[in-house]
Amino acid sequence: GAVVSQHPSWVICKSGTSVKIECRSLDFQATTMFWYRQFPKQSLMLMATSNEGSKATYEQGVEKDKFLINHASLTLSTLTVTSAHPEDSSFYICSARGAQTLNSYEQYFGPGTRLTVT
Amino acid sequence: SQQGEEDPQALSIQEGENATMNCSYKTSINNLQWYRQNSGRGLVHLILIRSNEREKHSGRLRVTLDTSKKSSSLLITASRAADTASYFCASVSNDYKLSFGAGTTVTVRA
Repeated sequence: GAVVSQHPSWVICKSGTSVKIECRSLDFQATTMFWYRQFPKQSLMLMATSNEGSKATYEQGVEKDKFLINHASLTLSTLTVTSAHPEDSSFYICSARGAQTLNSYEQYFGPGTRLTVT
Repeated sequence: SQQGEEDPQALSIQEGENATMNCSYKTSINNLQWYRQNSGRGLVHLILIRSNEREKHSGRLRVTLDTSKKSSSLLITASRAADTASYFCASVSNDYKLSFGAGTTVTVRA
């Protein structure tokens, strides 16, 4: 159980366009989802935390107008990279924690989305 | 999020040998977790150790936690080629946020 999927798994887009990445919890309801970014050979950096039905909380240095996060349902969160530029090329990973794991601090990670901006 | 440190950055060992990697974190934690990541893939949760625990075992994995030094270690015994991956520690605060270390890349040679 506790499977998280991401779509697409990879995407190439042109500079200036927007890209939407979906994160879904397949077999549980995710009250909180997290979005991370990982550059090559580096660690994961938390970008934002989103709770279902409320605005996302962004980490310092992350532009909320550039990285739009929507968590409209208990099983789906989306990250939209607006006006993408080559420096936004990265591996984006989401994770989810659900009501059932409220006290366990466990997060379940998606497989990641590789974004390349040309 | 604050990034902890891990050492070594890279480790190359022979199959059958043990691999040890260390992690330090900066703030008080509720628990610390270790993850594995194969190249270009998502994270696989390995083990969680709570702040009131000092040592935990899971199969070939042994994790220690020293909250006074804000450090943890992961030992993989009898390594296999399939253990080749990057390993990350993640300190978890009471607000459920994970703060990842820099990672250790482990290569197990057959």
